Amino acid sequence: QVQLQQSGPGLVKPSQTLSLTCAISGDSVSSNSAAWNWIRQSPSRGLEWLGRTYYRSKWYNDYAVSVKSRITINPDTSKNQFSLQLNSVTPEDTAVYYCARDRGGDYGDLYWYFDLWGRGTLVTVSS
Amino acid sequence: EIVMTQSPATLSVSPGERATLSCRASQSVSSNLAWYQQKPGQAPRLLIYGASTRATGIPARFSGSGSGTEFTLTISSLQSEDFAVYYCQQYNNWPPSITFGQGTRLEIK
Repeated sequence: QVQLQQSGPGLVKPSQTLSLTCAISGDSVSSNSAAWNWIRQSPSRGLEWLGRTYYRSKWYNDYAVSVKSRITINPDTSKNQFSLQLNSVTPEDTAVYYCARDRGGDYGDLYWYFDLWGRGTLVTVSS
Repeated sequence: EIVMTQSPATLSVSPGERATLSCRASQSVSSNLAWYQQKPGQAPRLLIYGASTRATGIPARFSGSGSGTEFTLTISSLQSEDFAVYYCQQYNNWPPSITFGQGTRLEIK
């Protein structure tokens, strides 16, 4: 059974970096079909896709325009997990953050929808 | 950015009755649309992808239809566990774009 286990601090100070990790069990971050995503949810912004990482003979990343200048998503093959870093946070970045899987197809094509989600981490940006 | 608009914001339906939820895209997304169900304190759960294909394990009472800019999620006979918030999500390969609707809350009448 595939599971995603999230970890990371629930409180971050303004201007600092938000860092979360998503550990994968039952699948591989280096899968040639899946993609590994971060999505957040807040009352003001709703559900917002942030970005993804995936492996197709080499590593690729795609990021949402709204956060592109501040975000990094990195795979960690040694621990079978991936991480989110969001720099220069403000209270507007307060949200529940989810990691999620795009299962992808047998030929390496991305599906662009999310069949498996982590449980979510509430991150509050406050001094 | 493609904007997804869901209606109504809240829908009150009695158990056993049919519920019809709508989702409109600001431009054509072909059939690149998914539906999710979210219950309080839980992550969204994938129900439908490709506008009309049920995800694994989703009961047949859930059905999706539409293409282009107009989409519908129908729940044929509401069960108590179906009362939740429902979101649509478009995915457009070029330019790369993933956006969600603001949700429809389905409540017990």
